[in-house]
Amino acid sequence: GAGVSQSPRYKVAKRGQDVALRCDPISGHVSLFWYQQALGQGPEFLTYFQNEAQLDKSGLPSDRFFAERPEGSVSTLKIQRTQQEDSAVYLCASSLAPGANYQPQHFGDGTRLSIL
Amino acid sequence: KNEVEQSPQNLTAQEGEFITINCSYSVGISALHWLQQHPGGGIVSLFMLSSGKKKHGRLIATINIQEKHSSLHITASHPRDSAVYICAAQYGGSQGNLIFGKGTKLSVKP
Repeated sequence: GAGVSQSPRYKVAKRGQDVALRCDPISGHVSLFWYQQALGQGPEFLTYFQNEAQLDKSGLPSDRFFAERPEGSVSTLKIQRTQQEDSAVYLCASSLAPGANYQPQHFGDGTRLSIL
Repeated sequence: KNEVEQSPQNLTAQEGEFITINCSYSVGISALHWLQQHPGGGIVSLFMLSSGKKKHGRLIATINIQEKHSSLHITASHPRDSAVYICAAQYGGSQGNLIFGKGTKLSVKP
């Protein structure tokens, strides 16, 4: 497809389980962002990749969160030992340029994660 | 701290009304984005602007750099405009990650 694709769309996990969320950006897009959106809030920055390099992970809330983009295209956000406060929509966005200033960001539909 | 504030949080309008959503930010930015989010999570980029005014169909976005303020206007509103509208700022640097407002939930009644 032409847009950013995220999977799964919905994920329910028990507290303590590990989860993996996938983002398939638009082909050729260099910049990739992960955002976390809690219910009723605006998205918040988690991490940024330029190709395969994770240049900023300052937004990751704890060391249970890990993101990778090994070949500079598909990215995976992994959350270990999930907690209830991890319940949120996880959004992925990509942008053509290295460094997305003055560039539109194209968003996926998000993965809605619910931790029971 | 870089912050983005939006108002109102919720807005109900009758079909055909002119709608304004406001956004203010705390320090100088490289660009200001207006985004639309429908139920289910998908986000669509409406505008990206760093000065002046942009128009697309019934949507108009303006920005006042000196006052650190932007507005999104919808003319002749329609029920299909019902969505959450989010303002997001880019604060420069090499990355361009966005700082988001909390969004304005718009409901347009027929």
